[in-house]
Amino acid sequence: DQQVKQNSPSLSVQEGRISILNCDYTNSMFDYFLWYKKYPAEGPTFLISISSIKDKNEDGRFTVFLNKSAKHLSLHIVPSQPGDSAVYFCAASSNNNDMRFGAGTRLTVKP
Amino acid sequence: ETGVTQSPTHLIKTRGQQVTLRCSSQSGHNTVSWYQQALGQGPQFIFQYYREEENGRGNFPPRFSGLQFPNYSSELNVNALELDDSALYLCASSPWTRHYGYTFGSGTRLTVV
Repeated sequence: DQQVKQNSPSLSVQEGRISILNCDYTNSMFDYFLWYKKYPAEGPTFLISISSIKDKNEDGRFTVFLNKSAKHLSLHIVPSQPGDSAVYFCAASSNNNDMRFGAGTRLTVKP
Repeated sequence: ETGVTQSPTHLIKTRGQQVTLRCSSQSGHNTVSWYQQALGQGPQFIFQYYREEENGRGNFPPRFSGLQFPNYSSELNVNALELDDSALYLCASSPWTRHYGYTFGSGTRLTVV
């Protein structure tokens, strides 16, 4: 069962513009959400997280928004840079150790 | 500080064989989690080890087993390999169980033929 969904397999944006990556989840027990970035031949790298008690968390160019009523979160990257080109995974967990990942979105930032 | 290292990087096995994958966790991390990533999918949770004990398991059959050692390194063992076991196996470590800013290794690419 796909409890975490990233419905856009790919996204292409121009350098300097905003990248918005979306993620939906079905399990209302999830209380912690994360974004990971993955370059080819490397493991995923933790990027940013948000607890369910918040609706926004910001870290430099990266901001994660959480809409609990819609079971939706998004990652905004502003401004986008060519080095941001990677696969981005959304992940979610509840009060156990089973962190669920989405299938990923491949972001391409064009110079 | 060193990151998470996994060995081997690539492996080819025959259906029905057994395989052991290894992971050295990041210094100071006592929790290790294993994930399977099939092509075009996100990582799927296999199990987690904390202080040498299994601390959670995903929807994988018992032929997937693991160990964690006193130095917090870990092994993933898979018996009776099936073709569908072909995937990238990722190990991740963290300083405690509910800290989800995992540090991932680069993975072991297992191909079952």
